Amino acid sequence: QQPVQSPQAVILREGEDAVINCSSSKALYSVHWYRQKHGEAPVFLMILLKGGEQKGHEKISASFNEKKQQSSLYLTASQLSYSGTYFCGTASLGNQFYFGTGTSLTVIP
Amino acid sequence: KAGVTQTPRYLIKTRGQQVTLSCSPISGHRSVSWYQQTPGQGLQFLFEYFSETQRNKGNFPGRFSGRQFSNSRSEMNVSTLELGDSALYLCASTRDRGPGNTIYFGEGSWLTVV
Repeated sequence: QQPVQSPQAVILREGEDAVINCSSSKALYSVHWYRQKHGEAPVFLMILLKGGEQKGHEKISASFNEKKQQSSLYLTASQLSYSGTYFCGTASLGNQFYFGTGTSLTVIP
Repeated sequence: KAGVTQTPRYLIKTRGQQVTLSCSPISGHRSVSWYQQTPGQGLQFLFEYFSETQRNKGNFPGRFSGRQFSNSRSEMNVSTLELGDSALYLCASTRDRGPGNTIYFGEGSWLTVV
């Protein structure tokens, strides 16, 4: 039931783009995206609801394909501050959340 | 608005001991969940409490328990600690139950079992 994230790790140069994927074997009601920096709490990025629109802010956006039970997080023109581990969290109507194992993103100058 | 507060932040325990971790959710939030985070395993769900009742439980042994008080504050307890229990324990709160609620995490309690 834990969603699968890919890739596990990615290294980017400043200004490059990245896509992080999250897929689940269960029917999903919502997908949540978080970023965690070392030693800190995961920070909420965005939530996508079934039947909702693609969400985004600044240069980070996400999509949710309900039929395929997949979500993708798009980071464009990456900045050094984007470095961290990105987690997707998935929820079905039973309210139990499952988080992926994370994608480590490193942005280098 | 204060965030989710967890205490203690760091602790070291010996195998066989027990530990209690505390969590104060964001004011007005009624649902509290606990997660265990270890390298390579991501965030593993422990349990969820709402209105002082456990609503969901993850796949952890009975040594892991929790409770929620009437003011929504929550505690989790791990008895008979094992080396493998060393992890970051994260508490999270949401305003209500439901998959559409945003989850807010505390900074966690780092537990080391020696």
